[in-house]
Amino acid sequence: TAGITQAPTSQILAAGRSMTLRCTQDMRHNAMYWYRQDLGLGLRLIHYSNTAGTTGKGEVPDGYSVSRANTDDFPLTLASAVPSQTSVYFCASSDSLSGANVLTFGAGSRLTVL
Amino acid sequence: GQNIDQPTEMTATEGAIVQINCKYQTSGFNGLFWYQQHAGEAPTFLSYNVLDGLEEKGRFSSFLSRSKGYSYLLLKELQMKDSASYLCAVPNSNYQLIWGAGTKLIIKP
Repeated sequence: TAGITQAPTSQILAAGRSMTLRCTQDMRHNAMYWYRQDLGLGLRLIHYSNTAGTTGKGEVPDGYSVSRANTDDFPLTLASAVPSQTSVYFCASSDSLSGANVLTFGAGSRLTVL
Repeated sequence: GQNIDQPTEMTATEGAIVQINCKYQTSGFNGLFWYQQHAGEAPTFLSYNVLDGLEEKGRFSSFLSRSKGYSYLLLKELQMKDSASYLCAVPNSNYQLIWGAGTKLIIKP
């Protein structure tokens, strides 16, 4: 089934450790995104990539980094995790940069930082 | 700046109709999206409105008034499976979506 695969599904991480959340899509979408979702708040954009080889900062980029070496993969790295990064992380992709930019989401990765 | 306001939670009865409102403020307008998110799952696309008026898609309809900065999602013949959060979102000037916190809809038998 075509779509977005995220890994891991969930993870408990000690503060100060590094972690990479993986995201792979097989739809050949140009644009990819990382969001975090916290209770009572809307989805917040962390980083995005409009096309392979380019990335940009979203609303809450601090403490996170991304890379886009190819069309399919868009990993999110936490270099030194802190408890405030406890959240559910969603990767998404879209094939259009116009206003009608329908996003397809992965199933999410639940991260707990202790 | 941009801001989106939705009710936090609503309750409705199976078989009934419910209207979920969304008020938005945006410096430009590039359309408005509604997504559905079941608990523990990913958001999925429901509708996109860029022109004023009502767009119907089966049991779900979405309305937009650009002059009022207002949209609503209308769900008819409610089913238990419609229990979910409904997310309103508008693109900013870079076409990145700004999201409301979502409305949790609880359906009772």
